[in-house]
Amino acid sequence: AQSVTQLGSHVSVSEGALVLLRCNYSSSVPPYLFWYVQYPNQGLQLLLKYTSAATLVKGINGFEAEFKKSETSFHLTKPSAHMSDAAEYFCAVSEGYSTLTFGKGTMLLVSP
Amino acid sequence: NAGVTQTPKFQVLKTGQSMTLQCAQDMNHEYMSWYRQDPGMGLRLIHYSVGAGITDQGEVPNGYNVSRSTTEDFPLRLLSAAPSQTSVYFCASSYSGFTSDSSYNEQFFGPGTRLTVL
Repeated sequence: AQSVTQLGSHVSVSEGALVLLRCNYSSSVPPYLFWYVQYPNQGLQLLLKYTSAATLVKGINGFEAEFKKSETSFHLTKPSAHMSDAAEYFCAVSEGYSTLTFGKGTMLLVSP
Repeated sequence: NAGVTQTPKFQVLKTGQSMTLQCAQDMNHEYMSWYRQDPGMGLRLIHYSVGAGITDQGEVPNGYNVSRSTTEDFPLRLLSAAPSQTSVYFCASSYSGFTSDSSYNEQFFGPGTRLTVL
């Protein structure tokens, strides 16, 4: 069965600092991987997705993620945090059946 | 396109009451799913459907029923509400298979229904 582990329920950074949100997955087949963002009291918005076309995936709002098969990881990064990045971020995995298994989420806090 | 719509946005029920959460999509997607979101738990799959007339259980199906009589609609029924069903419910839809650029089809999420069971 597939599963996702997000390390750290809360991550705090200063504005302008590097953002690193960690995601490790378990899957019995080559996975499809996703990062979603959720702003307070809103739905989920897709940030980026990995579908085996390229290991480094660029998404919206300056975020990117690198698929590392040997480490079973798909960490999300952004070089310089902005106050508007404060939100909850979810990593998700699919084995190809159009349903997703989500991690428990990481709340990103950005301080001035 | 309205995308994925959900009604109501908010609902308060008493224990034992029944209700139906509505979900509709206008993108002609084959796949539709229901998730619940609880603090610290992420989103968990309740039920899903791969097409009209076909449904299956997800990770947390107990206490919920679904049916899919049309491609557009995928209602979620709570037969006898319990406080443990207090949650935010999200409906999602996607195409089946792959797009022409060989990328996996993303799931589109509705805005959610916040349900409180007293």
